[in-house]
Amino acid sequence: DVKVTQSSRYLVKRTGEKVFLECVQDMDHENMFWYRQDPGLGLRLIYFSYDVKMKEKGDIPEGYSVSREKKERFSLILESASTNQTSMYLCASKAVDNWKGKLFFGSGTQLSVL
Amino acid sequence: QQPVQSPQAVILREGEDAVINCSSSKALYSVHWYRQKHGEAPVFLMILLKGGEQKGHEKISASFNEKKQQSSLYLTASQLSYSGTYFCGTADQGAQKLVFGQGTRLTINP
Repeated sequence: DVKVTQSSRYLVKRTGEKVFLECVQDMDHENMFWYRQDPGLGLRLIYFSYDVKMKEKGDIPEGYSVSREKKERFSLILESASTNQTSMYLCASKAVDNWKGKLFFGSGTQLSVL
Repeated sequence: QQPVQSPQAVILREGEDAVINCSSSKALYSVHWYRQKHGEAPVFLMILLKGGEQKGHEKISASFNEKKQQSSLYLTASQLSYSGTYFCGTADQGAQKLVFGQGTRLTINP
């Protein structure tokens, strides 16, 4: 089975800190995604990537950036963390280039910004 | 634009049936359904492609009405293990992203 691994299950950071969330997938998938999950709002797309060094903005990219230097790794960066970025962050990957293929999710990182 | 799921939450007794709806304002190419248990990653249930097909997975099935831009997830004779939050995700033709609804929280009691 495809494994999507997020480096931390829980993180606590202070306002203004630079935060890195790491995601690694082991099935050579081209496509990787970062979602944010908040109660009542569902999963909202922050950024995605279809290839190494390639990135596209999702629906809520403000305050975030991403990095994809290697195919298996997709990092989400909070340049200066703020309290409104306290949330569950989910990474996902997908094998095919259309939406006939399913997403494989990591277990999530619960980030608290104090 | 997010699809709209209804209901937002539902509580059932074991063995009862449930229907979760997902509506979009855009013409759809595919609809995905995922289930997430508390503290776990969302897990894929099924994909429906335009053409009005219905798919099944054990006692969980779904339909996709392309003209109405709606999908429904049917849970028959619900089991305790069906508890969780269900998300639909929609994509239009050529879309680069999957847009999720706000989720439906399903609680199954003994």
